[in-house]
Amino acid sequence: AQTVTQSQPEMSVQEAETVTLSCTYDTSESDYYLFWYKQPPSRQMILVIRQEAYKQQNATENRFSVNFQKAAKSFSLKISDSQLGDAAMYFCAYRSTTSGTYKYIFGTGTRLKVLA
Amino acid sequence: NAGVTQTPKFRILKIGQSMTLQCTQDMNHNYMYWYRQDPGMGLKLIYYSVGAGITDKGEVPNGYNVSRSTTEDFPLRLELAAPSQTSVYFCASSYRAGVSLTPQHFGDGTRLSIL
Repeated sequence: AQTVTQSQPEMSVQEAETVTLSCTYDTSESDYYLFWYKQPPSRQMILVIRQEAYKQQNATENRFSVNFQKAAKSFSLKISDSQLGDAAMYFCAYRSTTSGTYKYIFGTGTRLKVLA
Repeated sequence: NAGVTQTPKFRILKIGQSMTLQCTQDMNHNYMYWYRQDPGMGLKLIYYSVGAGITDKGEVPNGYNVSRSTTEDFPLRLELAAPSQTSVYFCASSYRAGVSLTPQHFGDGTRLSIL
């Protein structure tokens, strides 16, 4: 069974600085999707970025980028020029591409605090 | 666009009561999911559905039931509420076409307390 581990329960970053959130996963599959979701205090789950495992190029979405290391099964999220609005819980998620398996596996989350 | 709509937003139940959490989406998504999020934890899948009339268990299905009579609606039923079911419940949907599956869209959640 696949697992997703986020080893940092909480991180802090100064406004305008860069922070990296860690995520590791375990799987025996070769093709899958990885996601980072943001959950602000409003509780909404917002997709930040996604990565397809067969793509070697790291995904980028404005100030958000990932460092995808397939061999190491690592999928970290880098937030550049941090803003107060980035403060939230961040969840890493895995989804198999195996036919018939459409379940997402979520990590336990990292709470990001942004300091003014 | 409404997206995924969950009702109610908050509810307090007594032990042993039953209730249905409503979820509806207007994006014509064929896949729908129910998750629960306990304090300080990630989301755990309760049930999911790949289309009208088809449902399947997730990681933590005990104590819950679902139905999917239409594409739009995916209600979650608690038959005999227990304190262990105190949680925040999220409904999500996505669209599959062939081998492609879109990322999930989430509702705003339902905070449920069982006392």
